[in-house]
Amino acid sequence: DVKVTQSSRYLVKRTGEKVFLECVQDMDHENMFWYRQDPGLGLRLIYFSYDVKMKEKGDIPEGYSVSREKKERFSLILESASTNQTSMYLCASNLDGVNTEAFFGQGTRLTVV
Amino acid sequence: GENVEQHPSTLSVQEGDSAVIKCTYSDSASNYFPWYKQELGKRPQLIIDIRSNVGEKKDQRIAVTLNKTAKHFSLHITETQPEDSAVYFCAAKRGAFTDKLIFGTGTRLQVFP
Repeated sequence: DVKVTQSSRYLVKRTGEKVFLECVQDMDHENMFWYRQDPGLGLRLIYFSYDVKMKEKGDIPEGYSVSREKKERFSLILESASTNQTSMYLCASNLDGVNTEAFFGQGTRLTVV
Repeated sequence: GENVEQHPSTLSVQEGDSAVIKCTYSDSASNYFPWYKQELGKRPQLIIDIRSNVGEKKDQRIAVTLNKTAKHFSLHITETQPEDSAVYFCAAKRGAFTDKLIFGTGTRLQVFP
């Protein structure tokens, strides 16, 4: 059974805090993604990683950074959390090179107060 | 960059009726088009996908059609059931040589008994 696990289901942080969202997959997938889900806006790509230490910006990277030190782990970092980053964050992974299914984590609902 | 538009944003049907959701994409190099279903409080899951060398694909009550010339693709659900109620997302792979998936804004489908 494939598994993408996000470290927290719910998170409440204060404005200005540095926030780490962690994602781990056990399928040996090369690609990992961070999306942000907001009502009416769908899933918007924040960052994409296609290998260890390799990353590409998505459509809304401002205010975020990522880290991929190991193949199975992809971290999303909010350098200085702001209230407009309150959202549902979804991690996903898939195999490289082929048009393959992306598997999603259960999501982290982040509230910045 | 690649843009995916999805319509309608909400759709209500009677049980047993058909439902159609439409998406258009902007990048003519896109070659992979998956559809995801997200039930309330759950992660998105792939329900069907289509590649650019195929015009139509069916899987029991669901089908997807692709018109490459017009750059649009559609999800068709026949004989709808209450358990089909969910948010449906279309997606397109950005270009032919990347694994970035760009999602539409989602359609909330409600099937009334």
